[in-house]
Amino acid sequence: AQSVSQHNHHVILSEAASLELGCNYSYGGTVNLFWYVQYPGQHLQLLLKYFSGDPLVKGIKGFEAEFIKSKFSFNLRKPSVQWSDTAEYFCAANSRGGFKTIFGAGTRLFVKA
Amino acid sequence: GAVVSQHPSWVICKSGTSVKIECRSLDFQATTMFWYRQFPKQSLMLMATSNEGSKATYEQGVEKDKFLINHASLTLSTLTVTSAHPEDSSFYICSARNLGGAESTEAFFGQGTRLTVV
Repeated sequence: AQSVSQHNHHVILSEAASLELGCNYSYGGTVNLFWYVQYPGQHLQLLLKYFSGDPLVKGIKGFEAEFIKSKFSFNLRKPSVQWSDTAEYFCAANSRGGFKTIFGAGTRLFVKA
Repeated sequence: GAVVSQHPSWVICKSGTSVKIECRSLDFQATTMFWYRQFPKQSLMLMATSNEGSKATYEQGVEKDKFLINHASLTLSTLTVTSAHPEDSSFYICSARNLGGAESTEAFFGQGTRLTVV
């Protein structure tokens, strides 16, 4: 069955700390991978996406993610978080030629000023 | 990126009444749209896939008679919550993929509709 799992449900960091959020997927066929962010009171926004090519993907606001096919992982990273990064982060996947986008449970990040 | 607009963003209704939520793709044609439901502190759960000109495909456990989906045009899908009850209170989000465009595999999301049934 298709699934996306996120390891951490809640993460609390201080400003300037480094961030890594785990994401693993179980998907048949060729997969597209995404990280979305939902700031308080706002709708989902795309942070970054991987379709093919370079497995290290750069996104907006200093975020990056690395696709490791052998580990079925797509972890999100940021070297130095800011208070404004406080939000909920969702890993998601869909397949080429398919339609559904499946989401992980989400990780709530709180950054202390 | 493409824009998906959802209306209303917030609605309160009485128990037993029906509520219609609209989802529009503003600058692209969406043959397929998706309806999600997000409970507090939980992830987005796919409810159904809305197909233009044909019946929606519902996920397991979603009552098709309660959540009516109509996708009458390439830019509009509607979700009607019939005979709403307090347990239907939730955040409903639609999304669409522009399968004909360059960004064909990315999903774009509406801003969501917060439904409160009293």
